[in-house]
Parts: sequence; structure tokens; C-alpha cells
Amino acid sequence: DAGVIQSPRHEVTEMGQEVTLRCKPISGHDYLFWYRQTMMRGLELLIYFNNNVPIDDSGMPEDRFSAKMPNASFSTLKIQPSEPRDSAVYFCASSLSGRGVFSAEQYFGPGTRLTVT
Amino acid sequence: GDSVTQMEGPVTLSEEAFLTINCTYTATGYPSLFWYVQYPGEGLQLLLKATKADDKGSNKGFEATYRKETTSFHLEKGSVQVSDSAVYFCALSRSGGGADGLTFGKGTHLIIQP
Repeated sequence: DAGVIQSPRHEVTEMGQEVTLRCKPISGHDYLFWYRQTMMRGLELLIYFNNNVPIDDSGMPEDRFSAKMPNASFSTLKIQPSEPRDSAVYFCASSLSGRGVFSAEQYFGPGTRLTVT
Repeated sequence: GDSVTQMEGPVTLSEEAFLTINCTYTATGYPSLFWYVQYPGEGLQLLLKATKADDKGSNKGFEATYRKETTSFHLEKGSVQVSDSAVYFCALSRSGGGADGLTFGKGTHLIIQP
């Protein structure tokens, strides 16, 4: 299995530009999570989906952030307009709950390092 | 809300030393507890987990016991290796880890010197 795939791995953009981060979960997994990692705040959950439906988006910092999951094999996290304080590493993770929710494990992608100048 | 507190480090040890990384949590009910490891430039990998009080998770020589009375889940290893150098995250979940988000500690940077 290829694991969780994220693209791009690195993104540098100017303030005010739109940024789109992409994630392909492990095939067959029914949960998808987006996290953000910064030095100041550590790892924070932004939003997660179950069967392509957003379940909890309370961690999305502002209306500038939006996430979609149009099908089971693809999700995007969009920031528009971007700001320097959005600079962080963004991780996508997926899990399969079918064996029982108390045994499922989240598998993380390698992350996208975003720098907004 | 839920929270996890862990020593941030960096923690620097010599090879073959004993390792303890402290982790305490605040949560209502009976969360599941986890340790994740992050190697440079990579995503997080699950190291071990425990889903109920007094459970011991173990993997690759690392161990942690779920102590509800002290709300703790300290990570230990008897003899560390240079290859254990990484950032270690303590985390909790209400569902067992797969069906809701994880709440993470700030991470502990571990450096093992030969």
C-alpha cells in the first residue's frame, strides 16, 4: 500500500494568494483527518470526514479555510486568502473503523510544509 | 476541553540509557491513549496505544501504562539507541483513535548520543 499521499510536499506562496493542499487517503479507509502543526500551537485537528461527509470542523481557524472531500479517494484543504500566520506543516491522516472503533489507527501522510511570505 | 501535557525537551541521553517521557492528560470519561513518533521530514507513526485503565501498550522496546488514578501515560524504554532519536507525541482520543480526532501534547524532542 502506498500510504497516505499528500501534495505538494512544499509550498511557498505570497500573502493573499489562494493555496490548495491535496490528500489521497489509504484505499478503503472511511475516515479522513486534517491537522496543522506549528511551533507555537503544536498539532491541532482542523476537520475530519467520515464517508466523505464533514463531521467536525470546529478546529478550522477562520472562514479563509475550507475543506472538501468529493469522493473517497481525494480531499482538499484550501486557504483563501493566505496569510503569513498560516505558515505550518499540514498533515492528512486516514483510518478504517470497520474493525471496531476501539482498534482503529490513524495513518499519517508526510505533510505539506506551507510558507506564506 | 481535553488536553495533554508532556515534557517538551529537548531530552538528550547517551546510548543505552533508560528513557522516561512524562505525559499527563485531562479528559472526562475514559479516553484511549497513544504515543506517536515523528522522524525528521516524515509524518507521525503510531508507536503504542492503550484503550482502558491499567492497560500496557508496548512496541519496539517502548512501554507505557494507562494510569487513570494519576491520569498519566508515561513512555519508557530500558536501553535507547541512536535510531530512537525523534519527536514523541502523547495523544488521546475518545473513540480509540480512528473515529474522531486526536488531541496531542506539544511533543518531546529526544536526542540520543552515541
